[in-house]
Formats: sequence, structure tokens, C-alpha cells
Amino acid sequence: EDKVVQSPLSLVVHEGDTVTLNCSYEVTNFRSLLWYKQEKKAPTFLFMLTSSGIEKKSGRLSSILDKKELFSILNITATQTGDSAVYLCAGSSNTGKLIFGQGTTLQVKP
Amino acid sequence: DTAVSQTPKYLVTQMGNDKSIKCEQNLGHDTMYWYKQDSKKFLKIMFSYNNKELIINETVPNRFSPKSPDKAHLNLHINSLELGDSAVYFCASSQNFDYEQYFGPGTRLTVT
Repeated sequence: EDKVVQSPLSLVVHEGDTVTLNCSYEVTNFRSLLWYKQEKKAPTFLFMLTSSGIEKKSGRLSSILDKKELFSILNITATQTGDSAVYLCAGSSNTGKLIFGQGTTLQVKP
Repeated sequence: DTAVSQTPKYLVTQMGNDKSIKCEQNLGHDTMYWYKQDSKKFLKIMFSYNNKELIINETVPNRFSPKSPDKAHLNLHINSLELGDSAVYFCASSQNFDYEQYFGPGTRLTVT
């Protein structure tokens, strides 16, 4: 059965800290790994990773995929209170089906 | 200029009723999806349509029926609502299967 597991489930840090969120996956006919940020409403897209070892960056956020170990990480440097959210990882199959993990709740304290 | 919109945002109804949630995207995408997010915030796919054709139909009670009148719209009709149907329902769209999905604002359904 397809599954995506994220760790840790929750994390509390202070502004300026660096965090690493983990995601492991087992997805049949895997095509890509996606990261989303969910605050109070809809998940907003962060990254889509299809190739191993190629880091994607957007500002203070970066992510990388390891297709051999079936693993991805999301890094956030110099965290700010606005980074507080649930971060969702999802594996995508060749039909576009997204299998989501349970999410990591990040709280950044001032 | 909302990319993926859903109506209504909130829906409170009694058990046994039939209700519909509408979704529209103005991104020109070919593929649309419905997801259910339960009280534990776990997001699970229900259906997807590509150019009005049903592609994904997960293990969902047949009280749930998606309808796609055109590729910009994917509506969700739910018959004989049950307490366990209470959740947030998200619509999403993508250019096609291999592209990232963009989510609508969600519809919070409460069945009493």
C-alpha cells in the first residue's frame, strides 16, 4: 500500500533557527515528490521534485530528493514567525494521484 | 483573480440530506481533483478528472458522485449525508498529471 511518512510530527523553534523536515515515501509508479505549506486554509505549493540529488531553492526554503533511499527533506533557514504552518509532503503517481503524509506542524516563536 | 474557487466555503446540514459543492478553475488546466481532509488534518484523494473523463476513483462510498460539465468545473454531489462525512473538502487542479496541483480554499462540511 502506498504511504508517505513525515517526521517530526511537530516542531517548536525560535526565530532565526534552521529546521529540517523529513519525508519518506513508498508510492507505486512514483513520478514526483511535492511539498506544500498549509496555514489556515488551502495547501500552497512549495516544490516539486522529480530528479534525485538536485536541490530546489526558493528564498530561505530548499528541498532535495533521494530516489534511491525514497526520501526527501525540506530545509528552512533563518526561520520567521510567518513560517509557522503545517508542512505537507506528498508522493505523486503516474495518474497524478497525490499520497500525502500526515504533516509536520512547525511553530516558530519570536 | 482566484485561480481555484469553491462554493460554498461553509456548509452545515443534517444527516440524510443531499448537498453539492462546486469547484471552478480559471487556470486553463486539464486535470481537476477532489480531496477530503479529516479532523486529523490528513488529506486523501477522492476523485480526479482529466478533460471531463474520470481518472481516479478511490474507495469512496457511492453516495459521493463527481460531475464535470466542462474541464474548468468539477462538482461534488453527496447523497444521504452521514456524520462521518464532516470534513474539509478541497478541490485542486493541475496542468496535467505530471504537474503540481493548486488547491482551492476548501469547503468545511458539518453534518449534524
